[in-house]
Amino acid sequence: EVQLVESGGGLVQPGGSLRLSCAGSGFTFSDYYVDWVRQAPGKGLEWVARIRNKANSYSTEYAASVKGRFTVLRDDSKNLVYLQMNTLKTDDTAVYSCARVKLGPIKYFDYWGQGTLVTVSS
Amino acid sequence: EIVLTQSPGTLSLSPGERATLSCRASQSVSNTYLAWYHQKPGQAPRLLIYSASSRATGTPDRFSGSGSGTDFILTISRLETEDSAVYYCQQYGSSPYSFGQGTKLEIK
Repeated sequence: EVQLVESGGGLVQPGGSLRLSCAGSGFTFSDYYVDWVRQAPGKGLEWVARIRNKANSYSTEYAASVKGRFTVLRDDSKNLVYLQMNTLKTDDTAVYSCARVKLGPIKYFDYWGQGTLVTVSS
Repeated sequence: EIVLTQSPGTLSLSPGERATLSCRASQSVSNTYLAWYHQKPGQAPRLLIYSASSRATGTPDRFSGSGSGTDFILTISRLETEDSAVYYCQQYGSSPYSFGQGTKLEIK
């Protein structure tokens, strides 16, 4: 069974840092791209970042709202993807979920984790 | 950046009725790379439709997607109470891989 489980959320002050983890199981983790998506309280979904697989040089993409502050990394030996979040702002408060990107040319999100809550507040 | 606008914001219908949800893109979505997801309270989003009209594994045939270019429709025929959820469209053809703001479907 494919599973994605996020961890690492919590309360952090504005300007602080936090690192989220996304653990994958039930599939060959290293083959897949993994994205991060966030959902602010009572709001819709916002795509945050993507990390590709080794065959695509682990290249990354970011939403404009987080570029330069967030970094996505992966450790395929541990089946983990990380989202390093720096210089956090109150607007970054959200549930952060990771999602597996379908293999092949049609890259929709076929599995999602339940998410981890990040609260940025003083 | 492609902006997706969904309408209506909220839809309230009765069991057995048909729901029509719209997703309009600010520019053409390449290769109809458009997906529909639904999300129930406290749950992760679940894929319903990909490539505008292909049903994902496990999606009932009451759900159908159509459209191309900038205009896309999700139709749910014969509504059931379990269809209550927020429905999101997403384009995955060009970065940033944007979502619509969602349509809340209430089954009376």
